[in-house]
Amino acid sequence: GQQVMQIPQYQHVQEGEDFTTYCNSSTTLSNIQWYKQRPGGHPVFLIQLVKSGEVKKQKRLTFQFGEAKKNSSLHITATQTTDVGTYFCAVIYNQGGKLIFGQGTELSVKP
Amino acid sequence: DAGVIQSPRHEVTEMGQEVTLRCKPISGHNSLFWYRQTMMRGLELLIYFNNNVPIDDSGMPEDRFSAKMPNASFSTLKIQPSEPRDSAVYFCASARRGFSGANVLTFGAGSRLTVL
Repeated sequence: GQQVMQIPQYQHVQEGEDFTTYCNSSTTLSNIQWYKQRPGGHPVFLIQLVKSGEVKKQKRLTFQFGEAKKNSSLHITATQTTDVGTYFCAVIYNQGGKLIFGQGTELSVKP
Repeated sequence: DAGVIQSPRHEVTEMGQEVTLRCKPISGHNSLFWYRQTMMRGLELLIYFNNNVPIDDSGMPEDRFSAKMPNASFSTLKIQPSEPRDSAVYFCASARRGFSGANVLTFGAGSRLTVL
């Protein structure tokens, strides 16, 4: 079925360490989005990547879209306790706008 | 902007009862999505609408689930009869659909459903 694989499922880091989550698709994607969900909260849009090889930065967050547009990554430099939450990638599989979410990576940060 | 408004925020009901979840999307948004979130299955897309028309309901678990969008400012997700396995957080999200088909979703706070 239509799905995107996201790894790892969980990541526990010490504050100040880096963190990376990956999304992989078997099919070429038109674009990919990233969302963050804080514990007990709802997903909040972070960014959308459209171009092959695109790299975007938001402060300590770096988002990449693979050259083949089949994978993407989110990297956080020097994690802080405010980074705690679950990070989801989301992809569209048709022009109708059907948005499918990856399984998410739950990040915990130990102070 | 009040954002996407969902009600109720919490619902506890008994098996067999009818449950109706409500959503008011952001004004001007023309796409609306219903997702279900559980620990086991993550965020599952149940159904989505474009311009009030259901486009894809392949994620609806079974006939016990139904969704409607009678106008641009209101949608309901109904479960009848409810079962314990329906316990989950149900999110409504809306978007202004662009030419590329890409939707940037704004989620509501969710409705946490517990079926005893």
